[in-house]
Amino acid sequence: DADVTQTPRNRITKTGKRIMLECSQTKGHDRMYWYRQDPGLGLRLIYYSFDVKDINKGEISDGYSVSRQAQAKFSLSLESAIPNQTALYFCATSMGASGNTEAFFGQGTRLTVV
Amino acid sequence: RKEVEQDPGPFNVPEGATVAFNCTYSNSASQSFFWYRQDCRKEPKLLMSVYSSGNEDGRFTAQLNRASQYISLLIRDSKLSDSATYLCAPSQREQGGKLIFGQGTELSVKP
Repeated sequence: DADVTQTPRNRITKTGKRIMLECSQTKGHDRMYWYRQDPGLGLRLIYYSFDVKDINKGEISDGYSVSRQAQAKFSLSLESAIPNQTALYFCATSMGASGNTEAFFGQGTRLTVV
Repeated sequence: RKEVEQDPGPFNVPEGATVAFNCTYSNSASQSFFWYRQDCRKEPKLLMSVYSSGNEDGRFTAQLNRASQYISLLIRDSKLSDSATYLCAPSQREQGGKLIFGQGTELSVKP
């Protein structure tokens, strides 16, 4: 079983619909991240959380919201999906206050908004 | 200026070649640096960490130049299996280690 699990793996949704992407981890890490990836643009940070009570906006948070339900769970919501939110979404986790630790990624969610 | 910028690809090289990628970062407070490898829209996986001036692991060498704010990744004796996208990510301790990624450099190794 993967240490960082994203659901769903693929999703097609209509414009205007609300959709939630879920991420859970068994690594015991305190830090969790949501990124989106578009061709030629690398990974862009949407939101990140350093513990259950800590939520921070990343580079491109507009149109997204998150919830850290527990240390192991971090969900990303699109309240009203639009086509330019079509992308590959990755959840990641890391551990440690020093920042000198690697991030572990989920397998990604491929989202298409039509 | 973007926080992290990488050499635009793709790099097309023959097997056995030596290839180097550069990554520049704008935040001088960055203290840890990571190179990730990403295969064909799969999840990125850590290739190397760099905490001081550099790191070497087999055919891969990462070098850090803090004065010029760039890190490089050198791959010697390229293999077909090295074909992937390489992402660099500086980490800023004062921001709790948040990882910001470059756009990635695509490498294609040909027979």
